[in-house]
Amino acid sequence: QSALTQPASVSGSPGQSITISCTGTRSDVGSYNLVSWYQQHPGKAPKLIIYEATQRPSGVSSRFSGSKSGNTASLTISGLQAEDEADYYCSSYAKSDTVLFGGGTKLTVL
Amino acid sequence: EVQVLESGGGLVQPGGSLRLSCAASGFTFSTSPMNWVRQAPGKGLEWVSTISSGGPTYYADSVKGRFTISRDNSKNTLWLQMNGLRAEDTAVYYCAKGRMNGPFGDFDYWGQGTLVTVSS
Repeated sequence: QSALTQPASVSGSPGQSITISCTGTRSDVGSYNLVSWYQQHPGKAPKLIIYEATQRPSGVSSRFSGSKSGNTASLTISGLQAEDEADYYCSSYAKSDTVLFGGGTKLTVL
Repeated sequence: EVQVLESGGGLVQPGGSLRLSCAASGFTFSTSPMNWVRQAPGKGLEWVSTISSGGPTYYADSVKGRFTISRDNSKNTLWLQMNGLRAEDTAVYYCAKGRMNGPFGDFDYWGQGTLVTVSS
């Protein structure tokens, strides 16, 4: 299977909101609510910030929210802060019991 | 506190073998699905393998037939046996605990990773 499609980069100013898309197919994102989002700072391990498309783990800021429509999932970060500058990855369960990741999106806080 | 700690990475020649280990603590290992995810230098994340709490295993096509995931619940330890290594297997390998019992991509705790370099 091919990787999920994410924009290579997005940017925003402090206080603004940004949205990162994650596009798959009917064999993965479109058929299951098993989409997760990860934040990764340079040199660090990824951190789970959204699971099951819309759920936030305990301890994750409410500024992070997830949604899904058809074959596309989205991550929205509101009230952008300097510390949000990082790489963001989506993942999805796919038919035939595999996991696909997106190529990653670099978020720059201007 | 949940902790997962990988070890066993290093430099290996093409065609060689390596065994990664992951020591887990702070959660009920025996009932938790465990996973390996890798990241090539400067690249994105790639799922490698999952082992459910009951033992079923799942692999990415890129490693199927070459890598074997296993676990010992009495030792709270996860392994990844890697055979027939190729240059494209060069990556940081992360051990990650899963939330739900299967290859669902919901990894809630990650280790710091161990670097595997395949080169002559």
